[in-house]
Amino acid sequence: GAVVSQHPSWVICKSGTSVKIECRSLDFQATTMFWYRQFPKQSLMLMATSNEGSKATYEQGVEKDKFLINHASLTLSTLTVTSAHPEDSSFYICSAPPEREVGEQFFGPGTRLTVL
Amino acid sequence: GQNIDQPTEMTATEGAIVQINCTYQTSGFNGLFWYQQHAGEAPTFLSYNVLDGLEEKGRFSSFLSRSKGYSYLLLKELQMKDSASYLCAPMDSNYQLIWGAGTKLIIKP
Repeated sequence: GAVVSQHPSWVICKSGTSVKIECRSLDFQATTMFWYRQFPKQSLMLMATSNEGSKATYEQGVEKDKFLINHASLTLSTLTVTSAHPEDSSFYICSAPPEREVGEQFFGPGTRLTVL
Repeated sequence: GQNIDQPTEMTATEGAIVQINCTYQTSGFNGLFWYQQHAGEAPTFLSYNVLDGLEEKGRFSSFLSRSKGYSYLLLKELQMKDSASYLCAPMDSNYQLIWGAGTKLIIKP
């Protein structure tokens, strides 16, 4: 099956710093990638839809100036958490549906962010 | 509105069979997915149903009834490694997956 990678796997940072998370589709092109956040024992929460070559679409309640998304190529999307605070500590997961296939999303392994 | 209803937690014995039910309401429907998620890991794809009926894949089977807004995941010959959360995720008319909190399955020896 298709492979999606994420980097880094985990990161610990100080409050007020910015953290960049990369999501790559390794063996397919993805014009769309999804960014999720998951708090312990809760469901996946869609944060935004990343679109190659255009602006991301953010879900209601997600601050676009805080969570910057850049989808510069057909295989790479980045999420930057700006001025991170402890409440941003969470599990961030990206996913991508292969082109011309309905539905199935391939998930990256996730990034565990801890803000001190 | 859009809604997913699954049991929060289930317990089963190694070697047994367990059925995880899911009812859903979505704006439009483009199929339903089941994903497995181990603690601290991303979800992994298990099955996709778009037509009514049963889809069998090894030890796992998934059933869909579109008219009832109902699906189940059937796991046979349970193994300890099957302990995980199981996420029912229907796809709406915008081809967006709708996620619930999932069912935590605990397998006991």
